[in-house]
Amino acid sequence: AQSVTQLGSHVSVSEGALVLLRCNYSSSVPPYLFWYVQYPNQGLQLLLKYTSAATLVKGINGFEAEFKKSETSFHLTKPSAHMSDAAEYFCALNAGGTSYGKLTFGQGTILTVHP
Amino acid sequence: KAGVTQTPRYLIKTRGQQVTLSCSPISGHRSVSWYQQTPGQGLQFLFEYFSETQRNKGNFPGRFSGRQFSNSRSEMNVSTLELGDSALYLCASSLGRGNSEQFFGPGTRLTVL
Repeated sequence: AQSVTQLGSHVSVSEGALVLLRCNYSSSVPPYLFWYVQYPNQGLQLLLKYTSAATLVKGINGFEAEFKKSETSFHLTKPSAHMSDAAEYFCALNAGGTSYGKLTFGQGTILTVHP
Repeated sequence: KAGVTQTPRYLIKTRGQQVTLSCSPISGHRSVSWYQQTPGQGLQFLFEYFSETQRNKGNFPGRFSGRQFSNSRSEMNVSTLELGDSALYLCASSLGRGNSEQFFGPGTRLTVL
């Protein structure tokens, strides 16, 4: 079975500070990994995805994530937080094969950005 | 390209009723997945349809069902509604491969009274 764990349900940073949102996964097969962002009363927007090419993945809005197989991690970072980054972030996994269309999500991390 | 659309955006039902939610995918996408989002359980996979066939199913009771039409539009139905079915129901469309990113609609907020 696959699972995703996001460490920290709430993260608070100051504007301009580094953003680090942690994601660890468990999968019996090489996974495909995704980060999504959700603003209030909206659906999920894809930030970036890892599909076994480069381990450092760059996404939209200045976010990037690094796949570390040895640590089973896929942490999301952004060098400098903006007020507009305040939202809930989800890490998700697809196990490929017959896991058609099924994303397994972490519990989410709410990011607060202080002026 | 138009994004994923879901109708209606909000629904209020009472226990015991049934409800049908609709999802129109991005043009060219043949896969539609459905998810339930609640504060307690988070985002949970319901099922996925590809070319009118259900390819994958999550751990939900049989009261939750779905279908997909030849134009890739999808509907999900919940029968005999329970209070615990109150949630945001999200659909997502994709090209249907495991490494395909899923594009989400805005969701349907269902409230069961």
